Amino acid sequence: DSGVTQTPKHLITATGQRVTLRCSPRSGDLSVYWYQQSLDQGLQFLIQYYNGEERAKGNILERFSAQQFPDLHSELNLSSLELGDSALYFCASSVGTISNTGELFFGEGSRLTVL
Amino acid sequence: AQSVAQPEDQVNVAEGNPLTVKCTYSVSGNPYLFWYVQYPNRGLQFLLKYITGDNLVKGSYGFEAEFNKSQTSFHLKKPSALVSDSALYFCAVRDMGSGTYKYIFGTGTRLKVLA
Repeated sequence: DSGVTQTPKHLITATGQRVTLRCSPRSGDLSVYWYQQSLDQGLQFLIQYYNGEERAKGNILERFSAQQFPDLHSELNLSSLELGDSALYFCASSVGTISNTGELFFGEGSRLTVL
Repeated sequence: AQSVAQPEDQVNVAEGNPLTVKCTYSVSGNPYLFWYVQYPNRGLQFLLKYITGDNLVKGSYGFEAEFNKSQTSFHLKKPSALVSDSALYFCAVRDMGSGTYKYIFGTGTRLKVLA
């Protein structure tokens, strides 16, 4: 158990809909990362938050947005869903300081299926 | 831009034989390098990391990795493969010289250990 919690584990929805994925980082971790893993694809970095503020942005679509709340949990919002958004979405956390040399701790992922 | 390459989509090895999973990187500053393993329908699990010091790094489950600065490589190795090692392996780099401190993942290598 990595200590990172993601909900829901599975989600099935229709095209055009909007969903919210939730992530609770490990206790004490200030930084949260979101990644997308499509079928037979590697991990695509979406976005990173540190202590409530956006720190880095990757290949995140304009239809997607995220935030990190004061209690450090994070939400990834996916809107106007398309079939191609079907993927496994991972959240990871780390201590997050600039000098941090540590690894990321991953949640079990949220599997999104868009029909 | 920083990047990580895993040149092999799949590696097959017989149980008991040594295994190598290859990774090369490109960063602007000093690389912090990581290996993760992903079992089916699970999140990524940390195996080992190179930050500084000895070029041979030992990690979990008997895995080790060799950092080679001149060849910009960080290959994952194990002296004797087990069937239970069959999984998807990801190499990752954190570019400490770019100012973004993002973790960039390779496309993954599927390891299949044959009994």
